[in-house]
Amino acid sequence: DAKTTQPPSMDCAEGRAANLPCNHSTISGNEYVYWYRQIHSQGPQYIIHGLKNNETNEMASLIITEDRKSSTLILPHATLRDTAVYYCIVRVANGAGNNRKLIWGLGTSLAVNP
Amino acid sequence: KAGVTQTPRYLIKTRGQQVTLSCSPISGHRSVSWYQQTPGQGLQFLFEYFSETQRNKGNFPGRFSGRQFSNSRSEMNVSTLELGDSALYLCASSLTLAKNIQYFGAGTRLSVL
Repeated sequence: DAKTTQPPSMDCAEGRAANLPCNHSTISGNEYVYWYRQIHSQGPQYIIHGLKNNETNEMASLIITEDRKSSTLILPHATLRDTAVYYCIVRVANGAGNNRKLIWGLGTSLAVNP
Repeated sequence: KAGVTQTPRYLIKTRGQQVTLSCSPISGHRSVSWYQQTPGQGLQFLFEYFSETQRNKGNFPGRFSGRQFSNSRSEMNVSTLELGDSALYLCASSLTLAKNIQYFGAGTRLSVL
C-alpha cells in the first residue's frame, strides 16, 4: 500500500500562501492523492484530490509532480481559520471490485499566525 | 442537507464493558466507514459497509464489530473495553464505494476508565 510522508508541523503568516508538501514515492499509476484537513474537535473535511494533473477549487490548489512521487497543497491566502491538521492520503485499490482502504498518516499541523 | 451525525458525542465507560456507537450518513449516501483516532496513531481504518455488507476491514481485533441497516445507518460495537480503546471514533459516509470523497461526522469521544 502506498504511504505518505508529511512534515509534522508548519507555520504560515495570515494572508500569505501556505504550501504543504507530501511525499508519496511508492504511489501506483491508478492511485489518486487526496487532501483532507481536521480542525480541532471536528471530523476531517475533504479539500481536493487529483491523479496527475494540477487541480484547483474554491479551497485550494493541488500541484502533483510529473513523476507523481510528491505533491503540494497550496492555500493561496491563509486565514486564521485554516489552522488545522492537513492529511495527504493515497487511494489504495484493495481487493476485488471497489473495495479500497484509505491509508492515513499523522498529517501536518499548520499554524496560521496573525 | 444534513451532514453525518454521530451519537453520542461523548461516552465514559469502564474496562470490561461494551459500547455501541451510532452513525447516520448523509441522505443518499450508501457507504459508511469507521475510523479510530488516537494522538499517537492518527486515523486508523476500522471497517467499511455498503448495502448492509462489510466490504473492507482494518487490522483491529474481533472485539470491534459493526453493522449497517437498510437505511444505511451504521453502528459499531466494542466489547470487553480496554483502556487503550479510549479514542475519538469517526464515521464517514460517501455516495458509493467508488466515490472516495468521504464526509465525516464530528465523532464520538470514548473514554475508558
